[in-house]
Amino acid sequence: DAGVIQSPRHEVTEMGQEVTLRCKPISGHDYLFWYRQTMMRGLELLIYFNNNVPIDDSGMPEDRFSAKMPNASFSTLKIQPSEPRDSAVYFCASSFLGSNQPQHFGDGTRLSIL
Amino acid sequence: AQSVTQLGSHVSVSEGALVLLRCNYSSSVPPYLFWYVQYPNQGLQLLLKYTTGATLVKGINGFEAEFKKSETSFHLTKPSAHMSDAAEYFCAVNTGFQKLVFGTGTRLLVSP
Repeated sequence: DAGVIQSPRHEVTEMGQEVTLRCKPISGHDYLFWYRQTMMRGLELLIYFNNNVPIDDSGMPEDRFSAKMPNASFSTLKIQPSEPRDSAVYFCASSFLGSNQPQHFGDGTRLSIL
Repeated sequence: AQSVTQLGSHVSVSEGALVLLRCNYSSSVPPYLFWYVQYPNQGLQLLLKYTTGATLVKGINGFEAEFKKSETSFHLTKPSAHMSDAAEYFCAVNTGFQKLVFGTGTRLLVSP
């Protein structure tokens, strides 16, 4: 079975540019999560969705960040305008309903803002 | 509130030696506990999980973990380390709201 698919795997862009990260969750999963990983702050939950509806976006660092899930098989995380401090690895994960259900992670997008 | 503490940001072992990675948790709800492994340039991969039932849980790649409620611990072990086990390991606990709280991770170094 296909796992969580993220694109692009690497993105290098200049400060001020718009960045769009994409995620395809595992088919049938009810929840989708966006995380950011840095050396300084570790793994941070940015936002998560249930059945395409955002449930908790308290981890989104500021208004420059936005996330959408237009359907059950696709989600985007957008940064506009991007800043060098946004450089990190961004992960998408998905899971079935239930606190005992593990989250399944994609391989991430390594974002570098110059 | 739920939290996870992983003791030791780095653990070094020799190939063939016992691996022990420590995880202590705090939870106000019945805990469901997870261990994940992250290899370089990859996402987190589930190693094993404890939900209910048997407190000794076996996972992939020869790893296992024991849930000890009295000690609020869920330590990860492997009898004999292999070079391919070198990676970062994360312990996580459920929050009761579908979210997981992750520890800060432990990097396992395996020397020949």
